[in-house]
Amino acid sequence: EAGVTQFPSHSVIEKGQTVTLRCDPISGHDNLYWYRRVMGKEIKFLLHFVKESKQDESGMPNNRFLAERTGGTYSTLKVQPAELEDSGVYFCASSQVSGFGRARLFFGSGTQLSVL
Amino acid sequence: AQSVTQLGSHVSVSEGALVLLRCNYSSSVPPYLFWYVQYPNQGLQLLLKYTTGATLVKGINGFEAEFKKSETSFHLTKPSAHMSDAAEYFCAVSSNSGYALNFGKGTSLLVTP
Repeated sequence: EAGVTQFPSHSVIEKGQTVTLRCDPISGHDNLYWYRRVMGKEIKFLLHFVKESKQDESGMPNNRFLAERTGGTYSTLKVQPAELEDSGVYFCASSQVSGFGRARLFFGSGTQLSVL
Repeated sequence: AQSVTQLGSHVSVSEGALVLLRCNYSSSVPPYLFWYVQYPNQGLQLLLKYTTGATLVKGINGFEAEFKKSETSFHLTKPSAHMSDAAEYFCAVSSNSGYALNFGKGTSLLVTP
């Protein structure tokens, strides 16, 4: 069974440019999550999809970030325009179920984003 | 808000020695606690989790953790370290919503021969 796939694995862009990250969850997983780790800090929750609907987007930093999950399959996270502080590792995770302690999250290996 | 604090960003142990990675939590409700591991160039993998019931939780690869409410701790241990245990370890707690995880800053474990 394929795991959670993210690409690109690395992206280097200049401040002001646009970048789109993609995540393919495990087949059949309705729940998809985005997390971000800025260097030296905690992994922070960004948002949670259930199928194509945003269940919780309370962690999205600002309106420069746009996440979509058309058709409830893969998801994209677009940053436009990118700023220096957006640099970090963006993780995607998926799970079959959600809720307190019940979900087992499977993580992708992340996209390392560097904004210069 | 639920949060965790991992003590020590880097821990070094000798092969065969005890592994102890510390995690303390803060939670206004009974917590759901997790330990994840990230090997180089891989995603995070669930090691173990505590939800309810037995406070000593056994996970994969010989790791275990004990939930101690009185100490608000959930430390991760392994009796004998292997070279393959070298990785970054993250403690996490369920958020208020239950749908998100609040992670600690991570602890990098180095195992020396």
